[in-house]
Amino acid sequence: GAVVSQHPSRVICKSGTSVKIECRSLDFQATTMFWYRQFPKQSLMLMATSNEGSKATYEQGVEKDKFLINHASLTLSTLTVTSAHPEDSSFYICSARDEGLANTGELFFGEGSRLTVL
Amino acid sequence: SQQGEEDPQALSIQEGENATMNCSYKTSINNLQWYRQNSGRGLVHLILIRSNEREKHSGRLRVTLDTSKKSSSLLITASRAADTASYFCATVPYGGATNKLIFGTGTLLAVQP
Repeated sequence: GAVVSQHPSRVICKSGTSVKIECRSLDFQATTMFWYRQFPKQSLMLMATSNEGSKATYEQGVEKDKFLINHASLTLSTLTVTSAHPEDSSFYICSARDEGLANTGELFFGEGSRLTVL
Repeated sequence: SQQGEEDPQALSIQEGENATMNCSYKTSINNLQWYRQNSGRGLVHLILIRSNEREKHSGRLRVTLDTSKKSSSLLITASRAADTASYFCATVPYGGATNKLIFGTGTLLAVQP
């Protein structure tokens, strides 16, 4: 099946710094990727839709200047958490759809990135 | 919020028993999907059922969908310790982007060996 790689899997940073998380589709192209946030023992909340070659679409309540998304190629989307604060600590997960499996509706997920802001 | 509700929130069973998880959602849907998440890991797609389908099977998994009640169930038969994980339903709202999934609250399944 299609593989989505996410890096780093864990990151610890100081408050005020910025952290970049990468999401790559390894064996397929993805014009659209999705970024989710998950708090402990809770569900996934969609943050934004990353569109290759254009601006990301953010969900209501998500600060676009706080969570910068770049989708520069058909296989890579990045999420940058700017000026991170302890409340940004969370598990961030990306997902992508294999355009070649157009009708399945299935999304492929990365392994997630656990961000801890001290 | 469009987020679905799942019950139970947590389920503990013995190996060999069946596990049933339920999902309710709020809006009309194109399809409903079930995903599995091992602790601290990403999600793995299990099965998709379309709005015009009522039941679907995949190995030890059986999914039902009742669009009149806006609910779905996931049955895992002959459970194994390796089935221990969180299970989420996710819906694609009718008329919405086909990839924009709305996740339920999840059921944490523990299968005791």
